[in-house]
Amino acid sequence: GIQVEQSPPDLILQEGANSTLRCNFSDSVNNLQWFHQNPWGQLINLFYIPSGTKQNGRLSATTVATERYSLLYISSSQTTDSGVYFCAVPISNFGNEKLTFGTGTRLTIIP
Amino acid sequence: EAQVTQNPRYLITVTGKKLTVTCSQNMNHEYMSWYRQDPGLGLRQIYYSMNVEVTDKGDVPEGYKVSRKEKRNFPLILESPSPNQTSLYFCASSPLLVGELFFGEGSRLTVL
Repeated sequence: GIQVEQSPPDLILQEGANSTLRCNFSDSVNNLQWFHQNPWGQLINLFYIPSGTKQNGRLSATTVATERYSLLYISSSQTTDSGVYFCAVPISNFGNEKLTFGTGTRLTIIP
Repeated sequence: EAQVTQNPRYLITVTGKKLTVTCSQNMNHEYMSWYRQDPGLGLRQIYYSMNVEVTDKGDVPEGYKVSRKEKRNFPLILESPSPNQTSLYFCASSPLLVGELFFGEGSRLTVL
């Protein structure tokens, strides 16, 4: 099945720094999502991005489906950006599709 | 406000005592699912439903039941909880089978 790998696994940055998180997937996909799990455990939908680039405030995401990767950019990091970032792609399993999640990137922003 | 609502958010129970975690969405989504999240194991799908009265097993269905009698509700039932079901549970909904997914706030369950 499709493998979804995220890098780096951990990232520690000073407040105000920029960061780039990467999601690689092993097969072609028709959509990809990015989620943020905050320190309280809540999973927040950041982007639904089959291809191209989307921006939402300080966050933006780019998916290059033909090259099988997506990037999440966080600019001017704030402590509230801390948490784990997951990407997820659909896989087909016996005719049914479901989302497969990457193992996540744990981001820690230090004041 | 569009949202997925789970209850309870926190629960401590004992082995064998039946419990239900409710999930409701107000976005008229066809697709709903339940996940559990455990350290080192990531998010694993328990059950999903593609419409009313249509449910199917995910990756880890053992020990759980679900029902989808109404489009907006998708409760998760633990008939006889065991300590290995201690976990963080998420309900999610989507307009499509693999469309944009929206999660509830999570329910942290501890089974003693």
